[in-house]
Amino acid sequence: DAKTTQPNSMESNEEEPVHLPCNHSTISGTDYIHWYRQLPSQGPEYVIHGLTSNVNNRMASLAIAEDRKSSTLILHRATLRDAAVYYCILRGIEVGSQGNLIFGKGTKLSVKP
Amino acid sequence: DTGVSQNPRHKITKRGQNVTFRCDPISEHNRLYWYRQTLGQGPEFLTYFQNEAQLEKSRLLSDRFSAERPKGSFSTLEIQRTEQGDSAMYLCASSLSGQGIYGYTFGSGTRLTVV
Repeated sequence: DAKTTQPNSMESNEEEPVHLPCNHSTISGTDYIHWYRQLPSQGPEYVIHGLTSNVNNRMASLAIAEDRKSSTLILHRATLRDAAVYYCILRGIEVGSQGNLIFGKGTKLSVKP
Repeated sequence: DTGVSQNPRHKITKRGQNVTFRCDPISEHNRLYWYRQTLGQGPEFLTYFQNEAQLEKSRLLSDRFSAERPKGSFSTLEIQRTEQGDSAMYLCASSLSGQGIYGYTFGSGTRLTVV
């Protein structure tokens, strides 16, 4: 079962920042926080991941709470192309089948022009 | 490398027929995964390979489903005696193995419609 909680949907205006929250109160010390997004009619796309420290890449930023029980994916300036379902996933150490990505329902982000 | 490639993109089949899908992963990735996704749901894990070894099968993978990855390269997913409930998007992904630090690269999927 997915171990994260996300809002079902969110709306944003184009060119404004978007903060997508994720709760993961049962996170273990070795779980990485991964974010993927899925555009319509496409497979999921890796966005970003982190362990303890905040992370930045060309797509987004990931802010991780100090207790690691929540995180926020930040899109600095939303575009229409960012409209997608965003999945927050905990990924553990790859021992046997552990560490496989288990998807929940994610947050459907709508971006208004 | 152009990423993960899946063929065909779409498949319509009659109930009871067999279908086979192919996935070509990123060449240096040793792990390959199959997922199934129905409308409005997140992808559901089916099975995965490390090199040529199939290491886990989900309970979703009934006896009518079989997956192979000969020589640790491409993989095939076969569904025998298809049922209408098999209609879904079948996604393949590949990754490097490494303590959860590597992301998955997904293909665009094969959409199966059983009529």
